[in-house]
Amino acid sequence: GNSVTQMEGPVTLSEEAFLTINCTYTATGYPSLFWYVQYPGEGLQLLLKATKADDKGSNKGFEATYRKETTSFHLEKGSVQVSDSAVYFCALSGSTTGNQFYFGTGTSLTVIP
Amino acid sequence: EAGVAQSPRYKIIEKRQSVAFWCNPISGHATLYWYQQILGQGPKLLIQFQNNGVVDDSQLPKDRFSAERLKGVDSTLKIQPAKLEDSAVYLCASSLRPSYAGAGDTQYFGPGTRLTVL
Repeated sequence: GNSVTQMEGPVTLSEEAFLTINCTYTATGYPSLFWYVQYPGEGLQLLLKATKADDKGSNKGFEATYRKETTSFHLEKGSVQVSDSAVYFCALSGSTTGNQFYFGTGTSLTVIP
Repeated sequence: EAGVAQSPRYKIIEKRQSVAFWCNPISGHATLYWYQQILGQGPKLLIQFQNNGVVDDSQLPKDRFSAERLKGVDSTLKIQPAKLEDSAVYLCASSLRPSYAGAGDTQYFGPGTRLTVL
């Protein structure tokens, strides 16, 4: 079956620190992988995605590389800002399940000045 | 471009009452999804529509939950009767392509409806 395992939080970092949030997956076929961000009181917003192995998604300084050999899609940012404080969700869309999304449990990030 | 609209934003009811949520997807999007997000968990798919037909409702508790997407646009999700464990945020999302187009199509989410069952 399809599932996503995400790094447990909460994570607290100082401004300008390096961020890594781990995400691994189990899937049949060839899934697409996503990172979504949820700011307080808002819905989920797409942060980045990758649709095939070795693709790198990037947006707003965040990056993640689709690693088929390690079934991973870790989120990274070189220098976090206070405005990056949010909950981050890793998700996969299975190639055999009509674009149904499977989400991880989310990782809460707080960045302190 | 307008995003996915949902209403109401908040709802408080007592157990055994009924409640309905409304969703208006992005114009032209073929596929619509309803998710349940319990506090501290990731969203879980309840039902997926393509136009006005159901693609997947395997995780919808059909004894109490129902959903429809009339004319392939707006959708409503109903709970009747509600239980305490239904307290959650109900998210609606839409994507451009039909579900048979396969994986990888971005889903756009509305702000959600926070339901509290007392």
